[in-house]
Amino acid sequence: GNSVTQMEGPVTLSEEAFLTINCTYTATGYPSLFWYVQYPGEGLQLLLKATKADDKGSNKGFEATYRKETTSFHLEKGSVQVSDSAVYFCALSPNAGGTSYGKLTFGQGTILTVHP
Amino acid sequence: DTGVSQNPRHKITKRGQNVTFRCDPISEHNRLYWYRQTLGQGPEFLTYFQNEAQLEKSRLLSDRFSAERPKGSFSTLEIQRTEQGDSAMYLCASIHSQPGGLEQYFGPGTRLTVT
Repeated sequence: GNSVTQMEGPVTLSEEAFLTINCTYTATGYPSLFWYVQYPGEGLQLLLKATKADDKGSNKGFEATYRKETTSFHLEKGSVQVSDSAVYFCALSPNAGGTSYGKLTFGQGTILTVHP
Repeated sequence: DTGVSQNPRHKITKRGQNVTFRCDPISEHNRLYWYRQTLGQGPEFLTYFQNEAQLEKSRLLSDRFSAERPKGSFSTLEIQRTEQGDSAMYLCASIHSQPGGLEQYFGPGTRLTVT
């Protein structure tokens, strides 16, 4: 079956530091890959996505590249802010063509805390 | 705001009682998903509907759990004879099942505590 593994947290950084959160996956076929973010007291929000190999998703200064050869989708940001403190989830979904299209499999989440 | 809504936001119940949660998806979305999230873990898929049809159920969904989406709009998730292990956040999400409609919109969740 499908699975997603994220680096263990929590991650604590100073403002303006570089962020990497590792994510690897196991899946049949060619899934779509996502990063979701959960800010304190709020629901899950899509941060970025990539639908095929070598695609780069980006949003709010965050980036992740779909690497099929290493089955990875690492999240990066060059300079984090205090407002980026949240829980980040890597996820995958089968692509169109099957009944499981859209169903998400999540990693366990990584807590990020950014200090001023 | 026309996002996904869930009610109630919090529910405390005693072991053995039945509980029911409601999800109202974004109106034009024809797929609706239920997930369960326990502390320190990512959400786990429970079941989903396309319109009123329940198309897939996880093995996590025991016989005590039942979900409906009678008119293809809102959905309910019922847990009968609750157990302490049912304590979790129950999340609902919706999506439009057309090519490119990949983003799931999540509701705020219903936090269930079974005492």
